[in-house]
Amino acid sequence: EDQVTQSPEALRLQEGESSSLNCSYTVSGLRGLFWYRQDPGKGPEFLFTLYSAGEEKEKERLKATLTKKESFLHITAPKPEDSATYLCAVQATGNNQGGKLIFGQGTELSVKP
Amino acid sequence: ETGVTQTPRHLVMGMTNKKSLKCEQHLGHNAMYWYKQSAKKPLELMFVYNFKEQTENNSVPSRFSPECPNSSHLFLHLHTLQPEDSALYLCASSHGAGTEAFFGQGTRLTVV
Repeated sequence: EDQVTQSPEALRLQEGESSSLNCSYTVSGLRGLFWYRQDPGKGPEFLFTLYSAGEEKEKERLKATLTKKESFLHITAPKPEDSATYLCAVQATGNNQGGKLIFGQGTELSVKP
Repeated sequence: ETGVTQTPRHLVMGMTNKKSLKCEQHLGHNAMYWYKQSAKKPLELMFVYNFKEQTENNSVPSRFSPECPNSSHLFLHLHTLQPEDSALYLCASSHGAGTEAFFGQGTRLTVV
């Protein structure tokens, strides 16, 4: 069964304190891995897509990496405005999967000034 | 104007009511999705439409009925819901397999 597990469930950082969020996945075949940011009461906002092991993507203070079993979202020198829930999702290969996303439960990040 | 627009943003309905959620996308995508987000649980796929055709129904109870009249519009018709159906309902669209999905702001549904 395709599955995504994120850790930790919650992370509290001081402003400027770098850290990483983990996304472990089990999937029959990986079509793509996606990172989203979600603010309270809003829909998820797309951040990155990763397709193959070794691939990396960066955007401002965020950097996403991918291996054959997991992905990391590295946050460098975070600011309070980076506080949000970060969601990881995978798409599996297969004739009838379409664009279906399988989500993890998310990591709630809080950055204190 | 956001790429994916959902209305209403908030909805309170009784268990005997009938209501509909609406989603419209302005991104030129051919695939549209309904997801359900309950507290402390992962987003859960409900329905997938590709080029207006339903390609996946993720074992959703019949009290939820989707409708996709064209590639830009998606509806979720609700009737005789249960309190446990209270959740954030999210609409998304994409170019299909292998591409990122873009989400609307969601409809916060409360069943009383």
